[in-house]
Amino acid sequence: DTGVSQNPRHKITKRGQNVTFRCDPISEHNRLYWYRQTLGQGPEFLTYFQNEAQLEKSRLLSDRFSAERPKGSFSTLEIQRTEQGDSAMYLCASSRLGGEQFFGPGTRLTVL
Amino acid sequence: GEDVEQSLFLSVREGDSSVINCTYTDSSSTYLYWYKQEPGAGLQLLTYIFSNMDMKQDQRLTVLLNKKDKHLSLRIADTQTGDSAIYFCAESPPGSSNTGKLIFGQGTTLQVKP
Repeated sequence: DTGVSQNPRHKITKRGQNVTFRCDPISEHNRLYWYRQTLGQGPEFLTYFQNEAQLEKSRLLSDRFSAERPKGSFSTLEIQRTEQGDSAMYLCASSRLGGEQFFGPGTRLTVL
Repeated sequence: GEDVEQSLFLSVREGDSSVINCTYTDSSSTYLYWYKQEPGAGLQLLTYIFSNMDMKQDQRLTVLLNKKDKHLSLRIADTQTGDSAIYFCAESPPGSSNTGKLIFGQGTTLQVKP
């Protein structure tokens, strides 16, 4: 069990570009969560998957954001036409049904 | 609505006890959690308490829950420099007990002075 991994750890991009982050959950976990954390704040829920189904999306997830988990294993979070306000740490977590959420180290996005 | 509030900063001396406080708004929350975040690391679950409990103790950690006042606290006994981190309170609001969605406070930075 190597824990939840996220790639890349850091991403710097120019405003208007598209970015994609990847999350690899703990292998037997069927739930996967995405959160966003801005400086000085706690994580905010974005969306979650149970297996490959995306079951809930926060109103924070604008139409520029899309998340997928095509085979119920790894997940990707894409942000199109990035804005400076998208700069944040994007955290992924995974869990068994009803179990503890284990968090990855996060991807820090900086939009210039 | 869902809202979790914490004080932003706490400074203690090594060996003292630390008490980090949290208030939440949703009295129907089923579980309440404390997470620790160290620089460059992911969030680590420290402990949690079920809403029908008043207290939970786990080694140096004591969680107290006052449901009437919607107040949660985390006491760390014999605080060490390695306890320096940001501590987040989180609730699992009703309706999310099936999803696991968490609502976090803004975090309390604990500074432990040698």
